Amino acid sequence: EAGVTQFPSHSVIEKGQTVTLRCDPISGHDNLYWYRRVMGKEIKFLLHFVKESKQDESGMPNNRFLAERTGGTYSTLKVQPAELEDSGVYFCASSHGQGNYEQYFGPGTRLTVT
Amino acid sequence: LAKTTQPISMDSYEGQEVNITCSHNNIATNDYITWYQQFPSQGPRFIIQGYKTKVTNEVASLFIPADRKSSTLSLPRVSLSDTAVYYCLVGDRGYSTLTFGKGTMLLVSP
Repeated sequence: EAGVTQFPSHSVIEKGQTVTLRCDPISGHDNLYWYRRVMGKEIKFLLHFVKESKQDESGMPNNRFLAERTGGTYSTLKVQPAELEDSGVYFCASSHGQGNYEQYFGPGTRLTVT
Repeated sequence: LAKTTQPISMDSYEGQEVNITCSHNNIATNDYITWYQQFPSQGPRFIIQGYKTKVTNEVASLFIPADRKSSTLSLPRVSLSDTAVYYCLVGDRGYSTLTFGKGTMLLVSP
């Protein structure tokens, strides 16, 4: 069974540019989560999809971040425009059932904003 | 959410048993205790979850005393490849969001 995949593995962009991160969850997992860790901080929750619907987006830092999951399969997280403080590692995770603490994480996308 | 406290780092040698204790004094009745492992440049990986007493799987054991105010992750006979950060998470399984703390950096040496 393929795990959670994320693309790209690393992205370097300039402040003000746009970046789109992609996550492919494990096939059949309705729940998809985005987390991120900025430099020196803990891993923080961003949002949670159940299929194509946003179940919880309380962790999204501001309106420069837009997450989508059209069709309930893969998800994208767009940052527009990127700021220096957005640098960090963005993780995607998926799980089969809701209310499930056993989440499967991808390797993360390292975003560097210069 | 119950706050968790765990050691910042631990050192061990290969072949030893490692016990990492996590304190969660404010754990709620519906909360479960979950441990994740994270290797460098990888996402966290679920290790084990429990509610009370003892849980064991092929990777680790989790010991939870009756008052549930702490828990201990036990890794038998660690190897170099067990070097990682270990996170203790406490929360209601009906609430899917994971809340990570700083974790414990375990370094296993030859």
